[in-house]
Amino acid sequence: DAGVIQSPRHEVTEMGQEVTLRCKPISGHNSLFWYRQTMMRGLELLIYFNNNVPIDDSGMPEDRFSAKMPNASFSTLKIQPSEPRDSAVYFCASSLKGGPEAFFGQGTRLTVV
Amino acid sequence: DAKTTQPTSMDCAEGRAANLPCNHSTISGNEYVYWYRQIHSQGPQYIIHGLKNNETNEMASLIITEDRKSSTLILPHATLRDTAVYYCIVRVIVGGRDDKIIFGKGTRLHILP
Repeated sequence: DAGVIQSPRHEVTEMGQEVTLRCKPISGHNSLFWYRQTMMRGLELLIYFNNNVPIDDSGMPEDRFSAKMPNASFSTLKIQPSEPRDSAVYFCASSLKGGPEAFFGQGTRLTVV
Repeated sequence: DAKTTQPTSMDCAEGRAANLPCNHSTISGNEYVYWYRQIHSQGPQYIIHGLKNNETNEMASLIITEDRKSSTLILPHATLRDTAVYYCIVRVIVGGRDDKIIFGKGTRLHILP
């Protein structure tokens, strides 16, 4: 398996634009996590899904952020409109529910100018 | 919020054992201790986890005190590639409804040549 695949790896966008980050979890995994990492705040859990259903989205910073998991092999994190303070590295991770290990993707580095 | 306390940074000489402490004095009976690490610019990587017995795998050993209020991750023969941020995480029994992974600030381990 190629592991958790995130796209794009880098994204530069202008303030006010819509940004969509994509994640393909490892085949067979049924838990999926989205994280944001900045120097100031570290690794923050934004939302996580079990069996495609959002379980906890309390980490989503505000209504500009939304996440979907339409099927077991794909998830998106959307920011609309984007702001400079959204600049960060966004990680997606997947695991087997009941399994101890979460596998992380390489991340998407987002820069909003 | 993270339920663990770790030193901000540590140094270790190459080839020596690196011992990373973690305090989790409020840990509950149904919570495991997990360790992850994050090498610069990469996603976090699972290392090991345990409930109350000491654990060992090909990467590290985990020593949990009898009262479970603290633990130590041991890298037996540290190499330069072990330079990373190490996260100690308390997580409910995997498979429960709320088995999210919350990262704290971690310990930045520097392996010195």
